[in-house]
Amino acid sequence: AQKITQTQPGMFVQEKEAVTLDCTYDTSDPSYGLFWYKQPSSGEMIFLIYQGSYDQQNATEGRYSLNFQKARKSANLVISASQLGDSAMYFCAMRDTGAQKLVFGQGTRLTINP
Amino acid sequence: EAQVTQNPRYLITVTGKKLTVTCSQNMNHEYMSWYRQDPGLGLRQIYYSMNVEVTDKGDVPEGYKVSRKEKRNFPLILESPSPNQTSLYFCASSLTGGRSGANVLTFGAGSRLTVL
Repeated sequence: AQKITQTQPGMFVQEKEAVTLDCTYDTSDPSYGLFWYKQPSSGEMIFLIYQGSYDQQNATEGRYSLNFQKARKSANLVISASQLGDSAMYFCAMRDTGAQKLVFGQGTRLTINP
Repeated sequence: EAQVTQNPRYLITVTGKKLTVTCSQNMNHEYMSWYRQDPGLGLRQIYYSMNVEVTDKGDVPEGYKVSRKEKRNFPLILESPSPNQTSLYFCASSLTGGRSGANVLTFGAGSRLTVL
């Protein structure tokens, strides 16, 4: 069965610093996709970045990058030069070939301090 | 604008009073799904639909019903709501049900339901 683990319930970071949000996953399927979503205090779910299990390079989208270590089954989100607007809940999620769902971790609440 | 629209956004109801949360998408997506979000538990899938007239249970289907009569609509029905169904509900859709990056789930804005 698929499982996503986010071990950091909360993180506090100074503005302009880089931050890494941890995510480990478990699946027996060699073909899967990893997703990160941001949920600001307003509640909506915003897609940030995607990494496929067969992708050769780590995904990047602007200030977001994914540190994908397949052997360790980790898919950490890196936010460079954090901004106050990055304060939000962040969810790691996975979808494999067999499952008809996106499985979510418990989330990490990130707070950016000025 | 490509979007998933769900209504109502906020609802307070009482135990046993049937309610429906509507969900509509304008992206011609085949796959639609309902999730509930509870503190410390992340998002958990309630039901999903691979296409019109094709629905199946997710991880927490008890107390919920769905239907998919049209491609764009996927309403969530609570026949007899109970307090443990107090939660934040999300409808989401994607092109298909596959794992690829093309199948990013697009979420609605969420519906906060309180059952007294």
